[in-house]
Amino acid sequence: QQQVKQSPQSLIVQKGGISIINCAYENTAFDYFPWYQQFPGKGPALLIAIRPDVSEKKEGRFTISFNKSAKQFSLHIMDSQPGDSATYFCAASAGSARQLTFGSGTQLTVLP
Amino acid sequence: NAGVTQTPKFRVLKTGQSMTLLCAQDMNHEYMYWYRQDPGMGLRLIHYSVGEGTTAKGEVPDGYNVSRLKKQNFLLGLESAAPSQTSVYFCASSYFGTSSYEQYFGPGTRLTVT
Repeated sequence: QQQVKQSPQSLIVQKGGISIINCAYENTAFDYFPWYQQFPGKGPALLIAIRPDVSEKKEGRFTISFNKSAKQFSLHIMDSQPGDSATYFCAASAGSARQLTFGSGTQLTVLP
Repeated sequence: NAGVTQTPKFRVLKTGQSMTLLCAQDMNHEYMYWYRQDPGMGLRLIHYSVGEGTTAKGEVPDGYNVSRLKKQNFLLGLESAAPSQTSVYFCASSYFGTSSYEQYFGPGTRLTVT
């Protein structure tokens, strides 16, 4: 049972464009929603995260939009750059040990 | 600070062989986790630990065992490797406080079982 569904599987964007990745969750106990960025051959690294008490969080070119009633959240990358080319994972956390449930990932390619 | 390190980086096993993956962190984190990453499936939690001497099952624990004898180390064992355990394994750690839930990941171990 996939508790966090992520789309699209792959995304190609021109340099300077906007990249949008969407996630939907089922478990209402989730209370922390991070996005991780992973480059080939590396471990994932936290990019940005949001708690369910806010609807939007922005850090530089990266923004999370969160819709609690729809149980959906999305990552927007403004002014996408070739260096942003990576795999992006949404995740959701619940439990006393903050266990993460990950989406299936989106491979982003930003063309120069 | 080395952060989270994993040993080995690569390993090839034959079906039925056993091995142990070592994870070490130097950030004094209480929580540690083992994930596996398979194409199209994201990362899935195998086992986790909230402190020295404690472990718990995650989403996909079958075929794996773990131990946390020291706070800085978290070991993942495969007693009898199967081809279905071919994957990239990631260890992560995090601080227990409420100020940050960030998990810090190691570089991964690529395991192939033939």
